[in-house]
Amino acid sequence: DGGITQSPKYLFRKEGQNVTLSCEQNLNHDAMYWYRQDPGQGLRLIYYSQIVNDFQKGDIAEGYSVSREKKESFPLTVTSAQKNPTAFYLCASSGVIDTEAFFGQGTRLTVV
Amino acid sequence: SQQGEEDPQALSIQEGENATMNCSYKTSINNLQWYRQNSGRGLVHLILIRSNEREKHSGRLRVTLDTSKKSSSLLITASRAADTASYFCYNTDKLIFGTGTRLQVFP
Repeated sequence: DGGITQSPKYLFRKEGQNVTLSCEQNLNHDAMYWYRQDPGQGLRLIYYSQIVNDFQKGDIAEGYSVSREKKESFPLTVTSAQKNPTAFYLCASSGVIDTEAFFGQGTRLTVV
Repeated sequence: SQQGEEDPQALSIQEGENATMNCSYKTSINNLQWYRQNSGRGLVHLILIRSNEREKHSGRLRVTLDTSKKSSSLLITASRAADTASYFCYNTDKLIFGTGTRLQVFP
């Protein structure tokens, strides 16, 4: 069953801790993306990757890091440097940048 | 802000009515997509319109694109309660979403 999977669905983090959000796709897509969504707002781009071992910063990359060691995986680490990490995080993939993107079901991160 | 502007921010209509939402960007648009998001869920792709297309239809959806005005519109005809969701435009080249329109359709 092809698709894009994010885990966990809910994540709680203590202040000062780093956490890693998982994103896996079996669609054989080259491009993958991470977005952040705050309540009642649109999505803002954190990082994106068009090819393995390469990624670019989006509009709000500060306090986040990513890796793209495998085509199917694009994990996002929320570091302690991110001042307001509580948000809904969405991962997506597409064949190339200019085509339909498929989204995961999201990870809701809460700092406690 | 790098986000596209959508209006209205919220729209409430009765079943059977049409819903129109508009999207505009400060940056150029070549290709544009529309997505739907049910509350607290991921996004679902609705339609992609390319720069050489001014209008596109898919079922009850009609999308227009005006690259000179850097704007697009989404029309949902004969709306249903199941259309209740948030709708986002997406500037494909710039990887920028709009701010979204929350649509509520009452039975």
